[in-house]
Amino acid sequence: EDQVTQSPEALRLQEGESSSLNCSYTVSGLRGLFWYRQDPGKGPEFLFTLYSAGEEKEKERLKATLTKKESFLHITAPKPEDSATYLCAVLHGSSNTGKLIFGQGTTLQVKP
Amino acid sequence: EAQVTQNPRYLITVTGKKLTVTCSQNMNHEYMSWYRQDPGLGLRQIYYSMNVEVTDKGDVPEGYKVSRKEKRNFPLILESPSPNQTSLYFCASGRSTGSYSNQPQHFGDGTRLSIL
Repeated sequence: EDQVTQSPEALRLQEGESSSLNCSYTVSGLRGLFWYRQDPGKGPEFLFTLYSAGEEKEKERLKATLTKKESFLHITAPKPEDSATYLCAVLHGSSNTGKLIFGQGTTLQVKP
Repeated sequence: EAQVTQNPRYLITVTGKKLTVTCSQNMNHEYMSWYRQDPGLGLRQIYYSMNVEVTDKGDVPEGYKVSRKEKRNFPLILESPSPNQTSLYFCASGRSTGSYSNQPQHFGDGTRLSIL
C-alpha cells in the first residue's frame, strides 16, 4: 500500500537547537517529494521539491534531503517564527496521473 | 498577486442540501486539486484535474463531484452533504505534472464546512 509517514508527530525545540524531521515513504514510481509549511488557519505553503535520491535543497535555515526511502527536513538554529506544521507529500504513479499522498505532518514549536 | 481563492471560507449547512465550494486561480495553471484535512488523518486528495475537461479521482472521492470547464476554476460540489463530510477543505493549483516537470502547488486558505 502506498504510504507516507512523518515523524515525530510533534517536536519542541529551544531557539537555536538544530534538529531534523523525517518523512518516509513506500510508493511505486516516485515522481517528486514536496515539503510544505502550514501555519494555523492557513493553507500549506510550498518549501521544496525533490526529484531523485541524493538531491538536496536549501532555503534559509531549512535543508531538505532525499534518499530512496525517506526525506529529511533539517532545521538549523531555528527561531520562534519557524514554529508551524511541516508536511511532506509524494507525487507518484505514471506521468499522466496527478495523485498526491500527504504525511500527517510534524508540528514544530520553537521556544525563545 | 498569484493566488488561489476559495469561497465560502466558512459554511454551516444541513444534511442533504446541495452546496458548491468555488475555487479560482490566477496563475494559468493546468493542474488543480481538492483536499480535505481532518485531525489525525492529515490531508487527503479528493479529486484532481490535469487540465480543462480532464478530472480524476483521488483517494476519497465518494460523495463529491467536480467539473473543470475552464482553466481557472475548479468547483467542488456536494450533491447531498452528510455529517461525515464536515471538514476543512483546500483547493490547490500547480503547473502540469506531466513527465518530469512536477511543479509545486499553491493552496487556498481553506473552507471550513460543517454539515449538521
